Amino acid sequence: AQKITQTQPGMFVQEKEAVTLDCTYDTSDQSYGLFWYKQPSSGEMIFLIYQGSYDEQNATEGRYSLNFQKARKSANLVISASQLGDSAMYFCAMREGRDKLVFGAGTILRVKS
Amino acid sequence: GAGVSQSPRYKVAKRGQDVALRCDPISGHVSLFWYQQALGQGPEFLTYFQNEAQLDKSGLPSDRFFAERPEGSVSTLKIQRTQQEDSAVYLCASSLRPRGGAAKGKLFFGSGTQLSVL
Repeated sequence: AQKITQTQPGMFVQEKEAVTLDCTYDTSDQSYGLFWYKQPSSGEMIFLIYQGSYDEQNATEGRYSLNFQKARKSANLVISASQLGDSAMYFCAMREGRDKLVFGAGTILRVKS
Repeated sequence: GAGVSQSPRYKVAKRGQDVALRCDPISGHVSLFWYQQALGQGPEFLTYFQNEAQLDKSGLPSDRFFAERPEGSVSTLKIQRTQQEDSAVYLCASSLRPRGGAAKGKLFFGSGTQLSVL
């Protein structure tokens, strides 16, 4: 069974600063995929970024980057130049098998002006 | 439509009542997923369809939960004899490709149905 751990229930960041959201995972699979999703108050889950276990470079998508440390089994999300609209719930997830995603408990991010 | 649509947005049910939750995926999307999200938790997988075939229902918590997608587009999640522990947000997601499409995380989620069982 796979497991995702997000140890930060909540985080604050000042507008325009960078913030790191932690995620560690546990799996015995050699091939796996890691994801980050954003869930604003509207409830919709929004895909942010993907990292494959065999990808040599850390994934980046605009202001989002994934700090992938395979030996430590961590996949932290870095958001640069935080904006007020980044305030939301953030979930780390891992692909299990070929279909389903297993999610962590999430981290609430609040951006302060 | 432009995105995944779920209805109703909110549902209040009395304990023991049957409920039906609807999901309209993005047109042409082959894969459809249902997730259950309890308050303050991450979503948990319930079931998966590829077109009309239900390929994985391992996450359904009991035989009171039933999902269908008869024509490979709209899906309905039905919960019989609802109990208080069924209170949660039920999320639907779709993906263009069959198995493997989800590997790239390209799941498009709806806003969910918030079910409250009194």
